[in-house]
Amino acid sequence: DAMVIQNPRYQVTQFGKPVTLSCSQTLNHNVMYWYQQKSSQAPKLLFHYYDKDFNNEADTPDNFQSRRPNTSFCFLDIRSPGLGDAAMYLCATSRARLAGGNIQYFGAGTRLSVL
Amino acid sequence: GNSVTQMEGPVTLSEEAFLTINCTYTATGYPSLFWYVQYPGEGLQLLLKATKADDKGSNKGFEATYRKETTSFHLEKGSVQVSDSAVYFCALSAGNQFYFGTGTSLTVIP
Repeated sequence: DAMVIQNPRYQVTQFGKPVTLSCSQTLNHNVMYWYQQKSSQAPKLLFHYYDKDFNNEADTPDNFQSRRPNTSFCFLDIRSPGLGDAAMYLCATSRARLAGGNIQYFGAGTRLSVL
Repeated sequence: GNSVTQMEGPVTLSEEAFLTINCTYTATGYPSLFWYVQYPGEGLQLLLKATKADDKGSNKGFEATYRKETTSFHLEKGSVQVSDSAVYFCALSAGNQFYFGTGTSLTVIP
């Protein structure tokens, strides 16, 4: 029944070692989002794809990249993880752009630890 | 600009107590308003939403009314259960942007 699936649930990486988090969806939604959520904070949008159109938030570090090879999958690549990148990473989807009350559906998240 | 301000926690209540979590917003235009809930170790789930003034969203005993005159969307539940323990996020969407509040942690004790 899971509609937005994130793998793995827990990821441990080493300082500076590239890591990829994955997200897949069975909803056939046009828009996919990546958020970073640090402890006791609100999720912070990193970027989103509307179909193949990539939209980066102005304050997202260059260290974070994303790929969306098809409608169902979206990846978050962290090129050189630092200790400050340890966080929960949430993937979300929406059928269309958010205007008009479109709902975002979230995955369970991947908790990233950086050693 | 657009923003959401919600009541700071943590909030601790006894089972069957009345819950209010305050949320106010600042927005240009006509935003849609949401409450999301995050249970421990999980992602966010939509709890309820309202898309225009005076709409009331409701789900699982929770309610919130979109009040344009007070720019508020307070979350209420008449009788909380232990299973309601979670973090609650108020959010708004305006244009193509989505804004979360900082979250309010609720713990319900038996």
